[in-house]
Amino acid sequence: EAQVTQNPRYLITVTGKKLTVTCSQNMNHEYMSWYRQDPGLGLRQIYYSMNVEVTDKGDVPEGYKVSRKEKRNFPLILESPSPNQTSLYFCASSLSSALYNEQFFGPGTRLTVL
Amino acid sequence: GQQVMQIPQYQHVQEGEDFTTYCNSSTTLSNIQWYKQRPGGHPVFLIQLVKSGEVKKQKRLTFQFGEAKKNSSLHITATQTTDVGTYFCAGLKNTNAGKSTFGDGTTLTVKP
Repeated sequence: EAQVTQNPRYLITVTGKKLTVTCSQNMNHEYMSWYRQDPGLGLRQIYYSMNVEVTDKGDVPEGYKVSRKEKRNFPLILESPSPNQTSLYFCASSLSSALYNEQFFGPGTRLTVL
Repeated sequence: GQQVMQIPQYQHVQEGEDFTTYCNSSTTLSNIQWYKQRPGGHPVFLIQLVKSGEVKKQKRLTFQFGEAKKNSSLHITATQTTDVGTYFCAGLKNTNAGKSTFGDGTTLTVKP
């Protein structure tokens, strides 16, 4: 089944404890992206990747890192999480760029930083 | 930077009534995409509009892209309880093919 998977689905952590949220897609998509969703603020793009080893900042990249060493994986790294990073995170992928291609979203990761 | 505004933020309707959400961009777009997110779910692609003035229909849903490619609308005729969810538009520009700017969404509730 074609899908985007994220792990973990739920995470409660404490300020400053490094964490990684994994994202993987099995559709051989070139493009992958991370979004955070907060009430009343819609989906805001954190980082995106047009292909392996190519990443770029979205609208809210502060406090996050990403890497794209393989086509299928696009982990989101929070080196020192803070409470304002408490949010619902979605990973998405599309065939090539987001332009003119539908994005397939993962199920989401709900992160709470205490 | 590019901004995409969506109104209204919430809409409550009686089943059978119509519903419309509007999306407005601060800049001209190359295309616009619409997504639906059911409560507790993830966004799911509905449609993409590319041409100026384009109108597309999916059963009871009608999507329009403005002539200036700066605004769009989604209209649902005779809402059903299955239409409940949040509808997002996403604006994209060919000057930055990786960046997609989502509106804040319109949350639709339908009273049976």
